[in-house]
Amino acid sequence: RKEVEQDPGPFNVPEGATVAFNCTYSNSASQSFFWYRQDCRKEPKLLMSVYSSGNEDGRFTAQLNRASQYISLLIRDSKLSDSATYLCVVNGEDSNYQLIWGAGTKLIIKP
Amino acid sequence: DTEVTQTPKHLVMGMTNKKSLKCEQHMGHRAMYWYKQKAKKPPELMFVYSYEKLSINESVPSRFSPECPNSSLLNLHLHALQPEDSALYLCASSSPPAFRDTQYFGPGTRLTVL
Repeated sequence: RKEVEQDPGPFNVPEGATVAFNCTYSNSASQSFFWYRQDCRKEPKLLMSVYSSGNEDGRFTAQLNRASQYISLLIRDSKLSDSATYLCVVNGEDSNYQLIWGAGTKLIIKP
Repeated sequence: DTEVTQTPKHLVMGMTNKKSLKCEQHMGHRAMYWYKQKAKKPPELMFVYSYEKLSINESVPSRFSPECPNSSLLNLHLHALQPEDSALYLCASSSPPAFRDTQYFGPGTRLTVL
């Protein structure tokens, strides 16, 4: 079983729709969770850290479910500029510095 | 200034060449990273420096040699690379303990080995 699993997509979504991704992780001791966004041929950029209580930033909401070991990302009122690959990242168990990356979910917003 | 810079942006090299990738950050971060990313794959960790000391080497071949001259700079020396080493090489930095803090990425160096 992969340590961090994501649906690779692509998710083809009309502009203005709401879209949600889930990501499951295998290490129950993980403490830090992130969503990164990566545009084609660009570097990953942090979208959100994911806190136990859940957090919201404008149109983006992240949730953590420790019991089921998954995190989610909800995007409301999607924009064309939201088209990107969304990477789920979880801290690794062996080291304070190691992050375990999911393979990413590709999102395509269509006009 | 939340910026990590990398040079060069693009690099084409032959298998017998020696080249270096450079990374710089001025955020006061004490952890710096090299990642390798192939197309449609997530970044793969190569090396981690913490307080200018190499703390993680993810079994990277010796043709890749990292160096951290000071807390702001990170280099990756390349020698006798193979075509399969062609990839996007990303530098990142963070404040330790890193698992609680965001890693900030540079724009990457796109390396092609002929």
